[in-house]
Amino acid sequence: DVQMTQSPSSLSASVGDRVTITCRASQNVSRYLNWYQQKPGKAPKFLIYAASSLQSGVPARFSGSGSETDFSLTISDLQPEDFATYYCQQSYDTPSFGQGTKLEIK
Amino acid sequence: QVQLVESGGGVVQPGRSLRLSCAASGFTFGHHGMHWVRQAPGKGLEWVAVIWFDGGRKYYADSVKGRFSISRDNSKNTLDLQMYSLRAEDTAVYYCAREARHCSDVGCSIYYYYMDVWGKGTTVTVSS
Repeated sequence: DVQMTQSPSSLSASVGDRVTITCRASQNVSRYLNWYQQKPGKAPKFLIYAASSLQSGVPARFSGSGSETDFSLTISDLQPEDFATYYCQQSYDTPSFGQGTKLEIK
Repeated sequence: QVQLVESGGGVVQPGRSLRLSCAASGFTFGHHGMHWVRQAPGKGLEWVAVIWFDGGRKYYADSVKGRFSISRDNSKNTLDLQMYSLRAEDTAVYYCAREARHCSDVGCSIYYYYMDVWGKGTTVTVSS
């Protein structure tokens, strides 16, 4: 099974900041890496597929990069609605998620 | 609009069974693989099971293999998760999610898969 590890587990930032969340796979997953956003009490929302392709309707301040085992999600110019928990997920094998990164307001 | 609605959650004693359902609407259900993903209280997302678009293949997380069974009825646009021998650690919100794919190139030699539509979830509590 492919294990996904995110860092940091939590992060404090201010509106307008730029933040980066990293995700590491336990083996090469090529670019089969997706990102999701989840707000408290809500279902996850799909953001990015294939490591760097934005889902339609996702603001351009979100960007993803990486390949093989190391990936990142960057949010530029943080907006109040971006404070949430973010998960990476690999689709190279049977799916697995990272443990999540909680992005909080400083 | 595209929608997934889960039902069937509740409080159940350890060792008992429960069947969850997910009703799909607004898209051609039979064209998509479908997943169940769960989230224990205060924890992260855990993938549970997937079924191919035609029901031809099914895969399970090790934590539920042999106890849970995923199925679908494409004529009724429904996805089910039959859960047996429930344990306290199965307590979670259970989400159904649609699988979509993107062709990476003109020849479609590579597809990228992701879960693009999620239901709101149904809560399962396993407790005596």
